[in-house]
Amino acid sequence: QQKVQQSPESLTVSEGAMASLNCTFSDGTSNNFRWYRQHSAKGLEVLVSIFSDGEKEEGRFTAHLNRANLHVSLHIREPQPSDSAVYLCAVSIVSNTNKVVFGTGTRLQVLP
Amino acid sequence: GGIITQTPKFLIGQEGQKLTLKCQQNFNHDTMYWYRQDSGKGLRLIYYSITENDLQKGDLSEGYDASREKKSSFSLTVTSAQKNEMAVFLCASRGTGKVFFGKGTRLTVV
Repeated sequence: QQKVQQSPESLTVSEGAMASLNCTFSDGTSNNFRWYRQHSAKGLEVLVSIFSDGEKEEGRFTAHLNRANLHVSLHIREPQPSDSAVYLCAVSIVSNTNKVVFGTGTRLQVLP
Repeated sequence: GGIITQTPKFLIGQEGQKLTLKCQQNFNHDTMYWYRQDSGKGLRLIYYSITENDLQKGDLSEGYDASREKKSSFSLTVTSAQKNEMAVFLCASRGTGKVFFGKGTRLTVV
């Protein structure tokens, strides 16, 4: 079964410094990747989706996918204190795109 | 836009009790999910359903039942609540690839 792990578990950065989050998955047929953010007072919001190797940018959020290395990352440019939240990666495989498996989460804190 | 409504928002149960959580969506999405989120952890998939009357087990289905009697609703039953159990249960539905979430039901077992 698909295993999705995220690192680090928690990350603290200063406002304006790049924040990098990692996600590894176990099923090499995975083809559908999304990064979500979860604020404590809000629900989950999708940040960026990526389906092929390379990078995909949505505003200050950039996802990098390397399927050969079973790795997808999220980079947050110029993070702000309001970006402090739990970040989750979500993965599904080509033979069953309905089954969406989430990672373990990274708690990001951005200091002013 | 659509919305996913979970009821109740807070649920307090007793050990051994059977508890039911409800979820409604008006997106007209085919696929719906139940996830469990424990403090400091990610989301773990309990059950999902790709259409009315369909049920698929996730990685955490033991101890739970689910029911998809209508396209718009998906309910989850905790068959026997475990003492000191605390978690948030999130319902979601999927359309055009994106997954949309409800606000969650927070379960406490005393």
